[in-house]
Amino acid sequence: GENVEQHPSTLSVQEGDSAVIKCTYSDSASNYFPWYKQELGKRPQLIIDIRSNVGEKKDQRIAVTLNKTAKHFSLHITETQPEDSAVYFCAADPMDTGRRALTFGSGTRLQVQP
Amino acid sequence: NAGVTQTPKFRVLKTGQSMTLLCAQDMNHEYMYWYRQDPGMGLRLIHYSVGEGTTAKGEVPDGYNVSRLKKQNFLLGLESAAPSQTSVYFCASSYPGWYEGDEQYFGPGTRLTVT
Repeated sequence: GENVEQHPSTLSVQEGDSAVIKCTYSDSASNYFPWYKQELGKRPQLIIDIRSNVGEKKDQRIAVTLNKTAKHFSLHITETQPEDSAVYFCAADPMDTGRRALTFGSGTRLQVQP
Repeated sequence: NAGVTQTPKFRVLKTGQSMTLLCAQDMNHEYMYWYRQDPGMGLRLIHYSVGEGTTAKGEVPDGYNVSRLKKQNFLLGLESAAPSQTSVYFCASSYPGWYEGDEQYFGPGTRLTVT
């Protein structure tokens, strides 16, 4: 089955700095890679995703890059703000018909210091 | 729309007791999922369903059973609870499709403690 590793487990940055979270996956069949943000005590929510036919995707201060050859993808947050403080999860999904199940990384706790 | 709802929000069980967690969605999603979240381990898939009347095992299915009798509901059962099942349980649903998007919508979670 798929295995997703996520680094770092904790990340502390100053407000305004950039933050980068990296994930690697094992199953070459995976072709959908979402990122979820989970605030303390809340449910995970999708913030951005990327599919295997795209190398990079950007949405305002958030960007995701994918390297299928190396089997890794990264989340980039620029101009961080205190409200970006949360746990971020990467995930991978083979998107095969009949088996649409995400495998999540173990999460990165991002702390943005004001 | 209420989105994805879960019942109950909190529960304390004694070892050996049974219970059922209910997940409901009003978005007409085909796929539904049950995850457990433990500190430092992310979200792990327990069981999932790709449509009414179908279920499949995920990464950590032992000790759990599920049923999807109606499209909008997905039930997670614990027949004989164990302390190792102490966790936060999240239900999610999605409408899979390459072009329609594959976002999973999560419920608010159920915090279960087994003593």
